[in-house]
Amino acid sequence: EDQVTQSPEALRLQEGESSSLNCSYTVSGLRGLFWYRQDPGKGPEFLFTLYSAGEEKEKERLKATLTKKESFLHITAPKPEDSATYLCAALGPSGSRLTFGEGTQLTVNP
Amino acid sequence: DTEVTQTPKHLVMGMTNKKSLKCEQHMGHRAMYWYKQKAKKPPELMFVYSYEKLSINESVPSRFSPECPNSSLLNLHLHALQPEDSALYLCASSQEETRTDTQYFGPGTRLTVL
Repeated sequence: EDQVTQSPEALRLQEGESSSLNCSYTVSGLRGLFWYRQDPGKGPEFLFTLYSAGEEKEKERLKATLTKKESFLHITAPKPEDSATYLCAALGPSGSRLTFGEGTQLTVNP
Repeated sequence: DTEVTQTPKHLVMGMTNKKSLKCEQHMGHRAMYWYKQKAKKPPELMFVYSYEKLSINESVPSRFSPECPNSSLLNLHLHALQPEDSALYLCASSQEETRTDTQYFGPGTRLTVL
């Protein structure tokens, strides 16, 4: 059975304090690894898709990387507006079912 | 443009009511999804439509009835719901169901069942 585990569950940072969020996955035949950001009461907002180990993608203060067992979301010099829940989801070998992790709730204090 | 719209934003209904949730996208996507999300939990897949045909039903109770009238619209008809059905209902779409395309989510409908 496909599994995705995110850590930590919650993370508090000071503004400007860089850190990383982890997404470990056990998926046979991974076809894609997706990162989303979700604000309270709103739908997930797409951030990145990674398809193969070694791939990296960047957007403003965020950088996502992928290995054969995990993905990291690096946040450089975060700002309070980066506060949100970050979800990762893995796409297995068939169909369109995403296996989501439980998310990391990030709080950035000014 | 990667916008998926959902109406209404909020819905309060009694257990005997019948209501519908609506989702719309104009990206030319041929796969559309309904998810249910409880507080502090990830989204759970309910239904998938591919080319306007129901492709996946994740053993959802019959009080939830999906409908895809055309390639841009997706409805979720609700009847005789239970209080435990209160949740954020999310619609998503992607280019195709069987490829590795990104699923884009709408803002959701916050449903409260009294």
